[in-house]
Amino acid sequence: EADIYQTPRYLVIGTGKKITLECSQTMGHDKMYWYQQDPGMELHLIHYSYGVNSTEKGDLSSESTVSRIRTEHFPLTLESARPSHTSQYLCASSVPGPFSSPLHFGNGTRLTVT
Amino acid sequence: AQSVAQPEDQVNVAEGNPLTVKCTYSVSGNPYLFWYVQYPNRGLQFLLKYITGDNLVKGSYGFEAEFNKSQTSFHLKKPSALVSDSALYFCAVRDIVDSSYKLIFGSGTRLLVRP
Repeated sequence: EADIYQTPRYLVIGTGKKITLECSQTMGHDKMYWYQQDPGMELHLIHYSYGVNSTEKGDLSSESTVSRIRTEHFPLTLESARPSHTSQYLCASSVPGPFSSPLHFGNGTRLTVT
Repeated sequence: AQSVAQPEDQVNVAEGNPLTVKCTYSVSGNPYLFWYVQYPNRGLQFLLKYITGDNLVKGSYGFEAEFNKSQTSFHLKKPSALVSDSALYFCAVRDIVDSSYKLIFGSGTRLLVRP
């Protein structure tokens, strides 16, 4: 399995709290991604990064923000959590170069906002 | 814009029987196509990909997929299903004309293999 780690695995938090979901990879991949997976299973790209100091918004509007200060680290932050943020968040990375590179996924963080 | 469709929410098959999970795509240029599997409480695992060449692609765990350009399809297949194949399966596409490297996923198909 790919070396991409997400913490925490599960998080239950109250409305209004600030949270950061951690994602780290040890493969030296330049491209990293955050996907939100809703209860209906669909995956939506919410953020991606091509490398250090590069971040872009994805296809699904999200109130979260990301940063990429180090190649291996791509945390996602919610400034004020709401019940509508309840979802599974999946982090992924891919090698530099060709379009043929698959994504490597972490095991996800399941977030519940009460 | 690129898109992927998985028309079946769930596929049921008996163990030992062949299985097919359907996927169709829409892209502007040449597609790069992928299949992923997701087991409960896990991330997605890469199964196989089509880039160019032979239309039949072989991947992990005995899975294969057939690329059909005229039908814009990339169906996942396995000759003999196992109960342990029960999982969520996602088809994904990357469009070569889209320089963002984004991977667009289908809505997923739940495969249930009964003993």
